Amino acid sequence: GAVVSQHPSRVICKSGTSVKIECRSLDFQATTMFWYRQFPKQSLMLMATSNEGSKATYEQGVEKDKFLINHASLTLSTLTVTSAHPEDSSFYICSAGTADEQYFGPGTRLTVT
Amino acid sequence: KQEVTQIPAALSVPEGENLVLNCSFTDSAIYNLQWFRQDPGKGLTSLLLIQSSQREQTSGRLNASLDKSSGRSTLYIAASQPGDSATYLCSLFKAAGNKLTFGGGTRVLVKP
Repeated sequence: GAVVSQHPSRVICKSGTSVKIECRSLDFQATTMFWYRQFPKQSLMLMATSNEGSKATYEQGVEKDKFLINHASLTLSTLTVTSAHPEDSSFYICSAGTADEQYFGPGTRLTVT
Repeated sequence: KQEVTQIPAALSVPEGENLVLNCSFTDSAIYNLQWFRQDPGKGLTSLLLIQSSQREQTSGRLNASLDKSSGRSTLYIAASQPGDSATYLCSLFKAAGNKLTFGGGTRVLVKP
């Protein structure tokens, strides 16, 4: 089946720094990737839709200047959390896929101290 | 706006019992419905995908049904095992907008 990877799996950073998370589709090309965040014991909330070669589409309430998304190739999308703060600590999950089915990465645990 | 609700939020059963997980949704104009499993601190594993035109899907001990008219899907897990302990998420895909909507999940604990 299709495989999506994320890197890093865990990251701890200091408040005020920026963190980049990568999402890769390993054995297929993905024109569209999705970024979700998940707080403890809560479900996934869609943050943005990343389209290769164009600007990402952000969900209501998600700051585009804080969560920078770049989808430079058909196999890679990156999410950069800029000037991270403790409230940004969360589990970030990406997915890639077609209209029929999405494949999810293993997630990245971000802790901002 | 599509709303997806999963009841119960948590479930604890002894090993061997059958599990019944419910998912309800408000907008029946869906493209497909998918059940996922999530282990603590991990990503999502797809369990079953039901297309809009289908009524159920089966895989091993798992069976998922879909009733669009009543806005419901049910995931059955037969003869539960401790390894089935996880959070189960229901998600809907609507072709328009091309994005998934998730339910809140059901946390399942199967006690040996």
